[in-house]
Amino acid sequence: KAGVTQTPRYLIKTRGQQVTLSCSPISGHRSVSWYQQTPGQGLQFLFEYFSETQRNKGNFPGRFSGRQFSNSRSEMNVSTLELGDSALYLCASSTGTFFTDTQYFGPGTRLTVL
Amino acid sequence: QKEVEQNSGPLSVPEGAIASLNCTYSDRGSQSFFWYRQYSGKSPELIMFIYSNGDKEDGRFTAQLNKASQYVSLLIRDSQPSDSATYLCAVNYQAGTALIFGKGTTLSVSS
Repeated sequence: KAGVTQTPRYLIKTRGQQVTLSCSPISGHRSVSWYQQTPGQGLQFLFEYFSETQRNKGNFPGRFSGRQFSNSRSEMNVSTLELGDSALYLCASSTGTFFTDTQYFGPGTRLTVL
Repeated sequence: QKEVEQNSGPLSVPEGAIASLNCTYSDRGSQSFFWYRQYSGKSPELIMFIYSNGDKEDGRFTAQLNKASQYVSLLIRDSQPSDSATYLCAVNYQAGTALIFGKGTTLSVSS
């Protein structure tokens, strides 16, 4: 079974630009969660999508948004990029049905904002 | 606001010793607790999860949960240099399967 894939793996943007990241979950998984990882703050939860609906949202500004398609693939968008948005963005997929479900992580997208 | 606290470390143990990693959480309603391992430059990978009070063993790893004290721990027996990594404690986020993570504890096992 193929794992979680994320594209692109690396991105360099400048302040004020916007960016879209993509995540393809493991086949059969209906939940996709997004996380931001930085050295100072660790892994922080952004949002979770399940069957095309946002099920949970973390404490991030509205510049961070996401969506999920009918095939469970998900995208997240960051508008008006700031220097502090430089981070590793990880997505994780799970079946999304039980509170003990394992989240499987993708390799991440490394975003650098200049 | 759910919070998960871990000592950042580094925790240093000699090869063959027991490594003990600890985690506390703020929300008494949390139902499931996960331990992930993250090697430098890699994504987190699941070690094990626990949702009932007590101990759960998987090979060299034992997770312990005490809901009354809001405390979860991970013991690694016979530690190996390959266990050197950052260990992340996580709890489930409300309904759904998203997780709230602690900042991680860095473990270093010396040979």
